[in-house]
Amino acid sequence: SQKIEQNSEALNIQEGKTATLTCNYTNYSPAYLQWYRQDPGRGPVFLLLIRENEKEKRKERLKVTFDTTLKQSLFHITASQPADSATYLCAPAASGGSYIPTFGRGTSLIVHP
Amino acid sequence: NAGVTQTPKFQVLKTGQSMTLQCAQDMNHEYMSWYRQDPGMGLRLIHYSVGAGITDQGEVPNGYNVSRSTTEDFPLRLLSAAPSQTSVYFCASSKQQNQPQHFGDGTRLSIL
Repeated sequence: SQKIEQNSEALNIQEGKTATLTCNYTNYSPAYLQWYRQDPGRGPVFLLLIRENEKEKRKERLKVTFDTTLKQSLFHITASQPADSATYLCAPAASGGSYIPTFGRGTSLIVHP
Repeated sequence: NAGVTQTPKFQVLKTGQSMTLQCAQDMNHEYMSWYRQDPGMGLRLIHYSVGAGITDQGEVPNGYNVSRSTTEDFPLRLLSAAPSQTSVYFCASSKQQNQPQHFGDGTRLSIL
């Protein structure tokens, strides 16, 4: 069955450092992969989408990589700020059938001032 | 432009009761979906719709019904509430199913 793995332990980093979050998937080949941010008590908010033929995507301080050989996506936040503290969800979507994304459990990021 | 609006924000039900969670979007999106989010489980897809009059089951559809009579509205019905349905429910919409989704802020449902 399809499986998505994100670090269940919170990632603690100091302000100004680069945060790197990992999303690993098994048993399928996503056509694209999305990253969302979720704050406590709120719905997820879309951040970035990367397609299977793209190696890297950037948006301001955010960067996503997509390695279909390793079956892994990395999500980077450079010059992190306390306001970046949130849970980050990855959501790959398979090319076969409906293209509906499946969400990982998310990784909590805590940026300390 | 309100985006995706979910009502109510909180609800407590007794086992066996029925209720409808409302979801409305004002972005003219064709694709809408319902998820539940439980601790340690992530978001799980309940039902989805690719347009008015069309619905389909997701990963965990049992105990839930949906309908899509208009583009704007996608209500989720609990037929006979069970404690296992205690969860946070999120509605989402997008132009098409392979595009980024806009989420509502959720309905927190407790079944006693």
